Amino acid sequence: EDQVTQSPEALRLQEGESSSLNCSYTVSGLRGLFWYRQDPGKGPEFLFTLYSAGEEKEKERLKATLTKKESFLHITAPKPEDSATYLCAVQLGVLTGGGNKLTFGTGTQLKVEL
Amino acid sequence: NAGVTQTPKFQVLKTGQSMTLQCAQDMNHEYMSWYRQDPGMGLRLIHYSVGAGITDQGEVPNGYNVSRSTTEDFPLRLLSAAPSQTSVYFCASRGKIYEQYFGPGTRLTVT
Repeated sequence: EDQVTQSPEALRLQEGESSSLNCSYTVSGLRGLFWYRQDPGKGPEFLFTLYSAGEEKEKERLKATLTKKESFLHITAPKPEDSATYLCAVQLGVLTGGGNKLTFGTGTQLKVEL
Repeated sequence: NAGVTQTPKFQVLKTGQSMTLQCAQDMNHEYMSWYRQDPGMGLRLIHYSVGAGITDQGEVPNGYNVSRSTTEDFPLRLLSAAPSQTSVYFCASRGKIYEQYFGPGTRLTVT
């Protein structure tokens, strides 16, 4: 069964304290891995798409990387406004029957304190 | 662009009642989908559509119906509400690089 596991479930950082969130997956035929940010009471907001091992994407203080079995979301010098739940999701290729379905992890709840 | 809009934002139903959750997008996206989000479960796909007139089941379709008569609209119908359908429902549409744009959600409570 295809699975997406995120760790840790919750993370508390001091402002400026860099860290990484993990997303591991056990799927075959990965088409893409996605990172989203979700603020309380709102819908998820798209951050990054990664397609192949070794790929990296950056946006402000966030950098996403991908290996064959996991992805990391690195947060450099976080600020309180980075506090949110970060979700990852995987999409299988069309040939493996997953072209139209995303499988989400349960998320990492990040709190950045002053 | 308004993006993806959903109505209502909140709804309380009694067991057995039916209702329709509305979803609309103004980005001319062909693919649209409905998810439910429950604590500790992550987002789970209910139904999706790859274009007007075409719908298919996702991971948890039981108790829900969809139709897609236009590119813009993708309503979700609860046929006979049950307490197990208490959840937050998100509609999404998909862009060119397979990124999903989510609506603000509908918080549904079934008593």
